[in-house]
Amino acid sequence: SQTIHQWPATLVQPVGSPLSLECTVEGTSNPNLYWYRQAAGRGLQLLFYSVGIGQISSEVPQNLSASRPQDRQFILSSKKLLLSDSGFYLCAWGLAGFYTDTQYFGPGTRLTVL
Amino acid sequence: QQQVKQSPQSLIVQKGGISIINCAYENTAFDYFPWYQQFPGKGPALLIAIRPDVSEKKEGRFTISFNKSAKQFSLHIMDSQPGDSATYFCAAKEYSGAGSYQLTFGKGTKLSVIP
Repeated sequence: SQTIHQWPATLVQPVGSPLSLECTVEGTSNPNLYWYRQAAGRGLQLLFYSVGIGQISSEVPQNLSASRPQDRQFILSSKKLLLSDSGFYLCAWGLAGFYTDTQYFGPGTRLTVL
Repeated sequence: QQQVKQSPQSLIVQKGGISIINCAYENTAFDYFPWYQQFPGKGPALLIAIRPDVSEKKEGRFTISFNKSAKQFSLHIMDSQPGDSATYFCAAKEYSGAGSYQLTFGKGTKLSVIP
């Protein structure tokens, strides 16, 4: 069965510090991978998605970036965090292809920027 | 532009009652409509989903009703239980090419089931 991991689970960082959040998927190959951000009391905002190693599509221009160095690894980064980067970051995976539908979410990382 | 509108924002239902959450969309390219359930501090989990060629889908106490002509779909939770208290998100899928697709989410409904 497939499993998705995220770490760390919680993170408190000062403004201006760098960020690295990691997501890994087990039990599947060549998945589509997604990063979402969820602000308090709001819906899910798609930040990045990837259909393969080194292939990143950005949905929202901001000071965040994503990378996919391995097939089942997805990393969210920032060089300098802003207060507005606080939120709940969710990684998700889905099968590639036109006739596949569902995205499965990881447990999330709660980021607080002070 | 919010492509999937979800209502109500919050809902309080008594144990044993029916919870109803509604969603509406405009984009006719959407071809798959899942509902996710999220407990505090956890990632969303797929609850139930429907394709637009079906008007209703039932899984246990959870039912999706789909009205393609009205571009609306809803989640019904029968015999609501305190353990159903969570935030529910509707979503709609659109193929974005190159083997990928995107989900557009509603803003969520916080359901509280009181004993």
